[in-house]
Amino acid sequence: EAGVAQSPRYKIIEKRQSVAFWCNPISGHATLYWYQQILGQGPKLLIQFQNNGVVDDSQLPKDRFSAERLKGVDSTLKIQPAKLEDSAVYLCASSLSAGGPGGELFFGEGSRLTVL
Amino acid sequence: DAKTTQPNSMESNEEEPVHLPCNHSTISGTDYIHWYRQLPSQGPEYVIHGLTSNVNNRMASLAIAEDRKSSTLILHRATLRDAAVYYCILRPYGNKLVFGAGTILRVKS
Repeated sequence: EAGVAQSPRYKIIEKRQSVAFWCNPISGHATLYWYQQILGQGPKLLIQFQNNGVVDDSQLPKDRFSAERLKGVDSTLKIQPAKLEDSAVYLCASSLSAGGPGGELFFGEGSRLTVL
Repeated sequence: DAKTTQPNSMESNEEEPVHLPCNHSTISGTDYIHWYRQLPSQGPEYVIHGLTSNVNNRMASLAIAEDRKSSTLILHRATLRDAAVYYCILRPYGNKLVFGAGTILRVKS
């Protein structure tokens, strides 16, 4: 079974530029998550989708970050304009559903962003 | 979000058991105890979860205290590939997964 696919793996941009990350979840997984992981910290949830609807985006900096999940499958996370503090690894994860006692999350390898 | 407390780091010898502790004194009745680990340069991966009873799977065992205020993740025979950051997370039924800082496990050969 294919895992969660993310691209690009690495991206270097100048501050105030824009960047987009793409995620393809495991087939059949209704729930998709984007996490931000700054070096030395645990991942922080940015946004959660259930199919193509947003369940939780309380920690998404909406003035510069946006995310969409068209047709309830692939998702794109965009940052515009980027700031130095956005340097981090952006992790995409998916699960069969948001509910259930387990709801095991499967993570991709992440996209590492460096803002200069 | 309910809080967990884990040691910053631990060290173990290869092929010996490892006990990773987690304190969660403010756990509520609907909180499941989840463990994930993150190998270097990879995304986190699920290890195990439980509610009240001890749990075993092919990766590890989870021992949960009777009052549920603490738990221990047990790796029965540590290998070099088990060196990772281990996260203990309380997750209310159906809620989001909130990560803390975790425990860095170093395995010596």
